[in-house]
Amino acid sequence: AQKVTQAQTEISVVEKEDVTLDCVYETRDTTYYLFWYKQPPSGELVFLIRRNSFDEQNEISGRYSWNFQKSTSSFNFTITASQVVDSAVYFCALSESSLKNTGNQFYFGTGTSLTVIP
Amino acid sequence: DTEVTQTPKHLVMGMTNKKSLKCEQHMGHRAMYWYKQKAKKPPELMFVYSYEKLSINESVPSRFSPECPNSSLLNLHLHALQPEDSALYLCASSRDGLSLSDTQYFGPGTRLTVL
Repeated sequence: AQKVTQAQTEISVVEKEDVTLDCVYETRDTTYYLFWYKQPPSGELVFLIRRNSFDEQNEISGRYSWNFQKSTSSFNFTITASQVVDSAVYFCALSESSLKNTGNQFYFGTGTSLTVIP
Repeated sequence: DTEVTQTPKHLVMGMTNKKSLKCEQHMGHRAMYWYKQKAKKPPELMFVYSYEKLSINESVPSRFSPECPNSSLLNLHLHALQPEDSALYLCASSRDGLSLSDTQYFGPGTRLTVL
């Protein structure tokens, strides 16, 4: 089963529209961390946010906001008044408990490709 | 501006060549990572070094050989690669890598083509 599901493969919006990128995760751990990264066409992954499982406060940073809901295992990302520079692939990721020492517990979703049309 | 640098940006190599990818970070981090990313896919973890010791090897073929000369530098030595190894290779660093919960900061990547 997918640990992180980003059901929206591709989204297109017209500039200045708001857009929400969905992320649903699956874990049995009580301590975990969620991340969002942006990957523009240049290739570099840009860190956007890290949130731990005990902090359900929504976060706003400029035009970006995140809605973390443990009840639905979701960590959705909204861009307000989208701009052409927001065009990129956005990855949601999950890191499970640090108490495990076996192998990789960091999971990327499959990504959502966002195109903002001028 | 990224504080993780990778060289070269692009690399084309034949299947019999030996080449190396280099990564350097200037954030005082003690963990460094190699990822492989194919087109339209998420990055796949290959190796993790924590305090200059290899802590995770995700069953990567031996034709990929990592090296961590010090906590700021990470190399990936390539030998006898196959065309299917063509991909974007991303380096990342984090504070200590004792868990994978630390934020990873990525470099711009090396786009590798194997002919």
